[in-house]
Amino acid sequence: NAGVTQTPKFQVLKTGQSMTLQCAQDMNHEYMSWYRQDPGMGLRLIHYSVGAGITDQGEVPNGYNVSRSTTEDFPLRLLSAAPSQTSVYFCASSFRLAGGSEQYFGPGTRLTVT
Amino acid sequence: DQQVKQNSPSLSVQEGRISILNCDYTNSMFDYFLWYKKYPAEGPTFLISISSIKDKNEDGRFTVFLNKSAKHLSLHIVPSQPGDSAVYFCAASEVKAAGNKLTFGGGTRVLVKP
Repeated sequence: NAGVTQTPKFQVLKTGQSMTLQCAQDMNHEYMSWYRQDPGMGLRLIHYSVGAGITDQGEVPNGYNVSRSTTEDFPLRLLSAAPSQTSVYFCASSFRLAGGSEQYFGPGTRLTVT
Repeated sequence: DQQVKQNSPSLSVQEGRISILNCDYTNSMFDYFLWYKKYPAEGPTFLISISSIKDKNEDGRFTVFLNKSAKHLSLHIVPSQPGDSAVYFCAASEVKAAGNKLTFGGGTRVLVKP
């Protein structure tokens, strides 16, 4: 049982490049989400999904796309990278229960855009 | 406008003493509050949660108190141990049409001195 896995761990992009951050979970969780962590800002929700084929925007969705074709995978696409997207990205998953249910986080992807 | 705020960016405490972390929120629609702990280069891990209809929840050395009228919650760690040194995030859950949504505070870095 690997939990939530993210690849790559580190990535450097040039402005304007595109890439996909991968996220997978093996816990059969319905709910998956992407956050970015910036100093002093905590974790901010980018996009989330409540099941295969269903996604919605979070707090900071601009510049990012998601899709959910399977229960296990929830990739995050950067369409045209900008220096403002330099951050640490975390993927998380949980059962879709009441609000108190914990989310399980992956180890993060550190992205630098030059 | 940050709906969840942790006004103390850092806290230093002696081993064996109590650590008190504070969190304020503005949104009355939050139905659950959660605390997550994060070590460097790892994803956050769930610590403890409390429903908005309760005022206290305890789990071993960790107790969370909720003052709904003041829109304030706190996490008490007693006794503090060196392994508790980490960044702690307060989070609040809100029920949305597409599922529960978590909003995080900016985090408090705790250092427990031996």
